[in-house]
Amino acid sequence: SYELTQPPSVSVSPGQTASITCSGDKLGDRYASWYQQKPGQSPILVIYRDTKRPSGIPERFSGSNSGNTATLTIGATQAVDEADYYCQAWASSTAVFGGGTKLTV
Amino acid sequence: QVRLVESGGGVVQPGTSQRLSCAASGFSFSTYGMHWVRQAPGKGLEWVAVIAFDGSNKYHADSVKGRFTISRDNSKNTLYLQMNNLSPDDTAVYYCAKVLVDGDWVPFGSWGQGTLVTVSS
Repeated sequence: SYELTQPPSVSVSPGQTASITCSGDKLGDRYASWYQQKPGQSPILVIYRDTKRPSGIPERFSGSNSGNTATLTIGATQAVDEADYYCQAWASSTAVFGGGTKLTV
Repeated sequence: QVRLVESGGGVVQPGTSQRLSCAASGFSFSTYGMHWVRQAPGKGLEWVAVIAFDGSNKYHADSVKGRFTISRDNSKNTLYLQMNNLSPDDTAVYYCAKVLVDGDWVPFGSWGQGTLVTVSS
């Protein structure tokens, strides 16, 4: 079965750029999505189709996907961005999530 | 706006069955694929199942295949998850989620607030 691997945690200082990676076999051949989840809340979609932002998501959120790695980048990170982030892809008629990354600001 | 409200959670005994419901409103339910995603306490997200807009295709995760069944009633704007032979490993918050774009399988554009299922004797 297809697997996605994320680092368990990433730390960033306020105002700096945070990068969260997601690795999977030939992930670049698939679309990657990213979800943000804050404690006690439901996840929300922040990036889809590798680079697209849903309406209402700040421009500081961006994504890329090439080779075996997709990356979520948060520019000028704010305290409000502290959350768990999950990557996701579609493979063999199943949705796969990465294990999640706790972003500490 | 999109609203997804799950119900049916609670404490159930191992080996028993439970049916979850997800009432949808604010969009044309019959034109979107729908998913169930679960999250065990303190753990990450785990995809459970998806159903096409018209119910013609369904896919389930290996971990629930043969025990769980996703279904929908477009006349009632409601998504279901029938869960049989429950085990403690099925303890989780269960979310229903709507795909972002009709015709696609992913991503999950909108999520409900979740319903907690606790499997314990």
